[in-house]
Amino acid sequence: DQQVKQNSPSLSVQEGRISILNCDYTNSMFDYFLWYKKYPAEGPTFLISISSIKDKNEDGRFTVFLNKSAKHLSLHIVPSQPGDSAVYFCAARVYGQNFVFGPGTRLSVLP
Amino acid sequence: KAGVTQTPRYLIKTRGQQVTLSCSPISGHRSVSWYQQTPGQGLQFLFEYFSETQRNKGNFPGRFSGRQFSNSRSEMNVSTLELGDSALYLCASSLGELANTDTQYFGPGTRLTVL
Repeated sequence: DQQVKQNSPSLSVQEGRISILNCDYTNSMFDYFLWYKKYPAEGPTFLISISSIKDKNEDGRFTVFLNKSAKHLSLHIVPSQPGDSAVYFCAARVYGQNFVFGPGTRLSVLP
Repeated sequence: KAGVTQTPRYLIKTRGQQVTLSCSPISGHRSVSWYQQTPGQGLQFLFEYFSETQRNKGNFPGRFSGRQFSNSRSEMNVSTLELGDSALYLCASSLGELANTDTQYFGPGTRLTVL
């Protein structure tokens, strides 16, 4: 039973437009959420995080939104660049426990 | 500061064999976690070691084991390999215990293929 779901295996976006990656979770005890980016032949790299006490966190072109009532979070990338093409993983955690990762969404930014 | 390193990067084994993977964390980091990544499943947590003690364990059979040395380097062992063990095995390190940390730093992974 996947506690963290990323229902879109892939997403294609035109360069300069907005990319929206979605993540749904089932465990209402999750209190901390992260996004990682992974390029081929490299390990995942941390992108941005959000605590459950917030509903938005912004870092440059990246913004994460959290909707606790819907158990949904999303990552917005504006504007999208070709270098953003990668697999994006959503992860969540109950404090004191290990991180649970989603299956990932492959983003392709087309020039 | 050097990142997390994993050796070997690629490995081919046959069913029934055993394998040992190695991970060197970022200097000063005391926690090492291991994950299995397979297509469509994302990263599945295997276990975490902190100060040479296993702190947390995922839902994997006993064929998967690990250990951590006094210098924080960690090894992961899989015995009696099965075809389904083919995956990318990722190691991640963090300064403190995984339960109390905000993020982890991943190595490039070891690609294991079981024939």
